[in-house]
Amino acid sequence: ETGVTQTPRHLVMGMTNKKSLKCEQHLGHNAMYWYKQSAKKPLELMFVYNFKEQTENNSVPSRFSPECPNSSHLFLHLHTLQPEDSALYLCASSQQPGTVQPQHFGDGTRLSIL
Amino acid sequence: DQQVKQNSPSLSVQEGRISILNCDYTNSMFDYFLWYKKYPAEGPTFLISISSIKDKNEDGRFTVFLNKSAKHLSLHIVPSQPGDSAVYFCAASPQDSNYQLIWGAGTKLIIKP
Repeated sequence: ETGVTQTPRHLVMGMTNKKSLKCEQHLGHNAMYWYKQSAKKPLELMFVYNFKEQTENNSVPSRFSPECPNSSHLFLHLHTLQPEDSALYLCASSQQPGTVQPQHFGDGTRLSIL
Repeated sequence: DQQVKQNSPSLSVQEGRISILNCDYTNSMFDYFLWYKKYPAEGPTFLISISSIKDKNEDGRFTVFLNKSAKHLSLHIVPSQPGDSAVYFCAASPQDSNYQLIWGAGTKLIIKP
């Protein structure tokens, strides 16, 4: 139990669907992150939120839309995705933003685009 | 072009022996390095880190060594245990970024009984 919960664990969707990934952290952290991990590739940072404010957007296509209503919850809204978007999506949190702070990861959502 | 490289996709080590996981980087402007461990169907968990002003950091069975001149980082696990079987990721923090971690692709460590 890492204190970071992601739902759903698996998601299969068509290219025209709209779905959302959810992340919740129970650690009292102030920073939350979305990562993408494609097969055999390094983790790619997508978005960073600090105290609910987005502080980083790593040139992510607009078909991915994050939402952070409070410091404990983070969503990733998906619409009109492409097959290359199939990947493991990981949420993480840290006490403060900053890379020297160890990040606590959820178990990820395995996304498959048909 | 990958700035952080883990050139061995997998490594097999006998239980009780030393496991050495390697990581090379190309950017001399990294100021912090971290190792994470990942079991199947779980997210990565933080293992150990090292600042660029140090050359060694030890935590129990885990020791990380940093050779700045060679731009090389290694994680030593001794003695290796079955529970150490996992994928290990090296990550580096650029000086000019507060949030970005540059990750390696991972090395799968298999501990044989």
